[in-house]
Amino acid sequence: DIQMTQSPSSLSASVGDRVTITCRASQSVSSYLNWYQQKPGKAPKVLIYTASSLQGGVPSRFSGSGSGTDFTLTISSLQPEDFATYYCQQSYNTPWTFGQGTKVEIK
Amino acid sequence: QVQLQESGPGLVKPSQTLSLTCTVSGGSISSGGYYWNWIRQHPGKGLEWIGYIYYSGSTYYNPSLKSRVTISLDTSKNQFSLKLSSVTAADTAVYFCARGSYYLDYWGQGTLVTVSS
Repeated sequence: DIQMTQSPSSLSASVGDRVTITCRASQSVSSYLNWYQQKPGKAPKVLIYTASSLQGGVPSRFSGSGSGTDFTLTISSLQPEDFATYYCQQSYNTPWTFGQGTKVEIK
Repeated sequence: QVQLQESGPGLVKPSQTLSLTCTVSGGSISSGGYYWNWIRQHPGKGLEWIGYIYYSGSTYYNPSLKSRVTISLDTSKNQFSLKLSSVTAADTAVYFCARGSYYLDYWGQGTLVTVSS
């Protein structure tokens, strides 16, 4: 299985901050890397697919980059509704695997 | 707009079989191009992909659960289902169904299944 490791596991930030979350794969996943946002009690919602493509309806303050084994999710200016847990997921090889999550909390 | 909805018992006894159904609306599961997935989330933990079924009926299961999992399709009802046998307390989780190709774009709201006697 491909292991996905996110860092940090949690972070505290203020509204307006630029936030960066990283995801590292244990082997190359090419660009088959997706990012999801999950709020408490809700299903995950896809933000970014294939590393850098913005899902329809997702604000442009979200962006993704990377390829191979190292990927980044950036929120350019954190908004109150962005406080949530973020997961990366590889769809390069089955079994599809997720990172352990990064919880973004209010400072 | 595609919508998915999980249904099934919220409480299952140890050693029994967990059975859930996902009803899809706003799109046909037999139209091709998508995998129909089950994912679970243990309380307060991360996401674990269980497996998927394609419209053709082909399946892929996570090796960690493969011996206990069956995913099936009912195209006449536009549903797909999950069966997980010989459950233990470690199978207590929120179970999600989701549509996917290279990413999971539509999800059900999730249903909590507790394994307890």
